[in-house]
Amino acid sequence: AQSVTQPDIHITVSEGASLELRCNYSYGATPYLFWYVQSPGQGLQLLLKYFSGDTLVQGIKGFEAEFKRSQSSFNLRKPSVHWSDAAEYFCAVGPQGAQKLVFGQGTRLTINP
Amino acid sequence: GAVVSQHPSWVICKSGTSVKIECRSLDFQATTMFWYRQFPKQSLMLMATSNEGSKATYEQGVEKDKFLINHASLTLSTLTVTSAHPEDSSFYICSARADRTYEQYFGPGTRLTVT
Repeated sequence: AQSVTQPDIHITVSEGASLELRCNYSYGATPYLFWYVQSPGQGLQLLLKYFSGDTLVQGIKGFEAEFKRSQSSFNLRKPSVHWSDAAEYFCAVGPQGAQKLVFGQGTRLTINP
Repeated sequence: GAVVSQHPSWVICKSGTSVKIECRSLDFQATTMFWYRQFPKQSLMLMATSNEGSKATYEQGVEKDKFLINHASLTLSTLTVTSAHPEDSSFYICSARADRTYEQYFGPGTRLTVT
């Protein structure tokens, strides 16, 4: 069965510090991996996605993620966070064509000034 | 960019009444749309897959008679919560899968409160 685990429910970092959000997946075939961000009371915005090719993918808002097949991981990183990055972050996995995404539990990011 | 709208953005209804939520792809066609439910501080759970011109496919444990889905056109899917009860209170989010690119775009969500 396919699943996504985000081990950290809540992370607090200082503004300007680096960030890494963890995501581990279980999927029977080649996974299509996504990171979404959700601001309070809002829908989801796609940060980045990985289908194939270069395992380091760049996204919007200065985010990047690295696909590591051997570790079944797709961790999200940002070198220097901004106060506006405070939000809920979801990792998701799905089949080709992005149907029926399975989401992780989410990681809530708080930024200290 | 591709935009998905939901209407209403929030609704309060009385127990026993029905509520309809609309999901529209504004500038692209979407044969397939998805309906998710999100409880406070929790993840999104897929409820059903909506396909234009055919019956929706519901996930295990989702009552199809309670959550009626109609995909009337390539740009519109509706979710009707019938005989709503307080336990149906939740944040409902739709997404639309663009026919041309297969990208999935999410709506802003509808917060339903049943009193």
